[in-house]
Amino acid sequence: LAKTTQPISMDSYEGQEVNITCSHNNIATNDYITWYQQFPSQGPRFIIQGYKTKVTNEVASLFIPADRKSSTLSLPRVSLSDTAVYYCLVVIYNQGGKLIFGQGTELSVKP
Amino acid sequence: NAGVTQTPKFRILKIGQSMTLQCTQDMNHNYMYWYRQDPGMGLKLIYYSVGAGITDKGEVPNGYNVSRSTTEDFPLRLELAAPSQTSVYFCASSRGQGDYGYTFGSGTRLTVV
Repeated sequence: LAKTTQPISMDSYEGQEVNITCSHNNIATNDYITWYQQFPSQGPRFIIQGYKTKVTNEVASLFIPADRKSSTLSLPRVSLSDTAVYYCLVVIYNQGGKLIFGQGTELSVKP
Repeated sequence: NAGVTQTPKFRILKIGQSMTLQCTQDMNHNYMYWYRQDPGMGLKLIYYSVGAGITDKGEVPNGYNVSRSTTEDFPLRLELAAPSQTSVYFCASSRGQGDYGYTFGSGTRLTVV
């Protein structure tokens, strides 16, 4: 199974861009990379998903290099409400698309 | 559109009791999942299902059972509850292959005493 490694915690200030990098050295050819956000006492919320190069939506961008061994989630101009745990995950294509969660990155945004 | 609905939201069980955690989704998703989350930890996959009548074990299936008789429902059964099963349980669903955005329920907080 493709294991992911990401920083345990990060600090930022309001209005800054935050980049969280994740490594997934054992990713398989058909697997996808996805990121989730979780607030305390809530279920995780889907942020973004990609296979390679760059994906952008209304809340984030995801950068994936050609070798796909890492990915970077970019959150533009964070606010206090972006304080949460962010999970980098590899979607295992041939096993029902199941997600195996790691520890996640606890992002703290300060005023 | 309710999404993924879990009941109950809270429950206290005594050691050795049994219960069923209910999960239902109204998005016609084929894939459904059960996770547990212990304090300060990431989620661990208990069981998953790729369609009605099909279930498979995840990382931590011991002490749990599931069934999937309909597309909408995916109940999780705890038999002989133990303190180690004290956790928050999340149910999730997704369309499946090619569309992996999971929708999670709001969770069931279970305490076994």
